Amino acid sequence: AQTVTQSQPEMSVQEAETVTLSCTYDTSESDYYLFWYKQPPSRQMILVIRQEAYKQQNATENRFSVNFQKAAKSFSLKISDSQLGDAAMYFCAYTATSSGSARQLTFGSGTQLTVLP
Amino acid sequence: DVKVTQSSRYLVKRTGEKVFLECVQDMDHENMFWYRQDPGLGLRLIYFSYDVKMKEKGDIPEGYSVSREKKERFSLILESASTNQTSMYLCASRPLGGANEKLFFGSGTQLSVL
Repeated sequence: AQTVTQSQPEMSVQEAETVTLSCTYDTSESDYYLFWYKQPPSRQMILVIRQEAYKQQNATENRFSVNFQKAAKSFSLKISDSQLGDAAMYFCAYTATSSGSARQLTFGSGTQLTVLP
Repeated sequence: DVKVTQSSRYLVKRTGEKVFLECVQDMDHENMFWYRQDPGLGLRLIYFSYDVKMKEKGDIPEGYSVSREKKERFSLILESASTNQTSMYLCASRPLGGANEKLFFGSGTQLSVL
């Protein structure tokens, strides 16, 4: 069974600094997708960034980027120039490509990020 | 703006009550999901549906059932609520397509069973 592990229940960062959230996963699949979702205090989960396992280039979305290490099964999220609005719970998630859109994502336990002014 | 709407933000029920959690999406998505979110456990899938009247069990279906009579609506039913079902419930939808399609979430229902 696939598992996703986020070993940092809580993290904090000073405004304008950079922070990295860790995620590791376990799978026997060779082709899959990885995601980072953000859940702010409003509870509305939104997609931050996604990575396709067959792409070697790390995904980036503005201030958000990932460090994808396929051999190590590691998928960390880097937030640059942190802003107060980045404070949220962040979830790492995995799904196998063979699953199709009807299949489930496997989520990690989450990392609560606090941004200090 | 696309929307997934959950009928209640907070709900308090008594042990043994039958509880309905409703979810409606306005994006004509084929796939709909019910997750349960607990501290330290992340999101766990209860049930999902890939078409009207179709459903599949997720990782923790025990004590729950679902109904999807119309494409836009996916209901989660707790037949006889118990205190261990106190949790945050999140509904999500996703269009038909590849595994890279993102999920659209509702704002969650915090259910307390007393």
